[in-house]
Amino acid sequence: DAGVIQSPRHEVTEMGQEVTLRCKPISGHNSLFWYRQTMMRGLELLIYFNNNVPIDDSGMPEDRFSAKMPNASFSTLKIQPSEPRDSAVYFCASSRDRGPDEQYFGPGTRLTVT
Amino acid sequence: AQSVAQPEDQVNVAEGNPLTVKCTYSVSGNPYLFWYVQYPNRGLQFLLKYITGDNLVKGSYGFEAEFNKSQTSFHLKKPSALVSDSALYFCAVRDGTGGSYIPTFGRGTSLIVHP
Repeated sequence: DAGVIQSPRHEVTEMGQEVTLRCKPISGHNSLFWYRQTMMRGLELLIYFNNNVPIDDSGMPEDRFSAKMPNASFSTLKIQPSEPRDSAVYFCASSRDRGPDEQYFGPGTRLTVT
Repeated sequence: AQSVAQPEDQVNVAEGNPLTVKCTYSVSGNPYLFWYVQYPNRGLQFLLKYITGDNLVKGSYGFEAEFNKSQTSFHLKKPSALVSDSALYFCAVRDGTGGSYIPTFGRGTSLIVHP
């Protein structure tokens, strides 16, 4: 398996622009997580999907952030409009299901908003 | 509620010496405990986990961790450190009794192994 795939790997955009991050989980995994990592705040959970349904989005910072999972093999995280404080590394992770399974992380998308 | 504490931001050890990265946790039910490693510019990578059974868990790259219920700890250990072990290490906990299916991660410990 290719593992969790994220695109793009790097994104540089100007404040106010829309940013879309993409994730393809490992085939057969039913749980998907979006995280944000910064030096100041560490690793933060943004949203958790199970069987394509958002279960917990309490970590989504504000209405500028939205996430979708239209099918089992694809998810997007969108920021509109983007702000400099959104600069971070965004990770997608998947796991088999709600059992005692570990998460598999993608390589991340490094977002810089100028 | 569940939480994880990694009391050391950084651990320094000489190559060849044993290493320990500390983790304590709090969870209402039975804990599922995990260790992950993050190398620079990479995603987190699973090392090992404790679900039930033997308190000593062995994982990848020669790492092991000991579950201690009375001390609510799950410290990561390796008998002989390598320079290539230098990375960021995360401990995570989940309530295995059917609570939240979302793990809570610690803030991470930077391990630096000196040649």
